[in-house]
Amino acid sequence: QITLKESGPTLVKPTQTLTLTCTFSGFSLKTDRVAVGWIRQPPGKALEWLALIYWDDDKRYSPSLRRRLSISKDTSKNQVVLTVTNMDPVDTATYYCAHFPSTSTDFDYWGQGTLVTVSS
Amino acid sequence: SYVLTQPPSVSVAPGQTAWITCGGNNIGSKSVHWYQQKPGQAPVLVVNDDSDRPSGIPERFSGSNSGNTATLTITRVEAGDEADYYCQVWDTRRDHYVFGIGTKVTVL
Repeated sequence: QITLKESGPTLVKPTQTLTLTCTFSGFSLKTDRVAVGWIRQPPGKALEWLALIYWDDDKRYSPSLRRRLSISKDTSKNQVVLTVTNMDPVDTATYYCAHFPSTSTDFDYWGQGTLVTVSS
Repeated sequence: SYVLTQPPSVSVAPGQTAWITCGGNNIGSKSVHWYQQKPGQAPVLVVNDDSDRPSGIPERFSGSNSGNTATLTITRVEAGDEADYYCQVWDTRRDHYVFGIGTKVTVL
């Protein structure tokens, strides 16, 4: 059974760096073509894909946020970390991590999400 | 970047059929995935690769994709189907992932 869970601060100040951790079980990030992605959703708004990291450490980023994002993995801990620099109130959102299977381009399992508020 | 267009809302009576569209330039050449999101919950994949259903998803949910429009069809709509529905594709040209703006399905 695949599960994912996001953790990190619920409140950050403008200009600070956000660091979120996705801890997962039920699969390995050493498996060919498997990946973990991050998606966010501002309150009342649509989903927005942020970043993806593959089993071979290849990475993809949203073009609009590329300069502020960094994604990494620790396969020994079954964790994926997302950092977002220079946080702004518009970055207030629920941040989700999700499993990206080897056989498709969808996100088939999602974490519960964590709400991050940016405010001074 | 690649843009997916969805109607903001769709209303349907119980027992009827709901059609939710997702428009994009030559979207028929891409694999389209659909997610259901109920208030306060994480999205759930209901259709992947245009028309496949993940395990546990009722047969009432189906998908199609051709030309410039992909469609999620929900037959025999139930009150529990009331949710936001998002389409998603992989933009191969820019190698990134795109979501539609979402469609709120209201069961009358």
